[in-house]
Amino acid sequence: EAGVTQSPTHLIKTRGQQATLRCSPISGHTSVYWYQQALGLGLQFLLWYDEGEERNRGNFPPRFSGRQFPNYSSELNVNALELEDSALYLCASSIQAVEQFFGPGTRLTVL
Amino acid sequence: QKEVEQDPGPLSVPEGAIVSLNCTYSNSAFQYFMWYRQYSRKGPELLMYTYSSGNKEDGRFTAQVDKSSKYISLFIRDSQPSDSATYLCAMSAGSNYQLIWGAGTKLIIKP
Repeated sequence: EAGVTQSPTHLIKTRGQQATLRCSPISGHTSVYWYQQALGLGLQFLLWYDEGEERNRGNFPPRFSGRQFPNYSSELNVNALELEDSALYLCASSIQAVEQFFGPGTRLTVL
Repeated sequence: QKEVEQDPGPLSVPEGAIVSLNCTYSNSAFQYFMWYRQYSRKGPELLMYTYSSGNKEDGRFTAQVDKSSKYISLFIRDSQPSDSATYLCAMSAGSNYQLIWGAGTKLIIKP
């Protein structure tokens, strides 16, 4: 069974640009979670989507947004990029909001 | 006070030692407890999942939950250099609730 996949693996942007990150959950999983992990720090919860709806949002500004598509894949958009947005962005999926299975992450670098 | 407290370490032990990793929490509603392992620059990997109190064993790994003390532990027997990673605890009140994460403990196993 294929795991959670994320694309791209690496993304380099400049300040003020927009970044789009993508996630495909494990087949049959309806929930997708997005986390930000800055270098050497813990996981910071960003967004939770379930059945196409946003269920919860972490303490991040509105320029972090996303959506979940009918096939349960998801997209995270970060507008007006700032230097401190440089981090590993992790996507996880779940069939219930207990066990979460993670993808390899997208490393975003903002120059 | 954070809902979940975890010593960030690093914890350095010699190969073959028994490792004890711990988290404390404040929310008595938590019923589901998980341990994840994260290698550098990779996504977290689910190691152990426990419901309510008690012990669960899987190979060299044992997860222990003491709800009366609000304390969970992960024991690693016969530790190997390949066990060197960051170990994160996570917990939830139920399937419709978000996972709450510890900050992660960095473990170093010296050959």
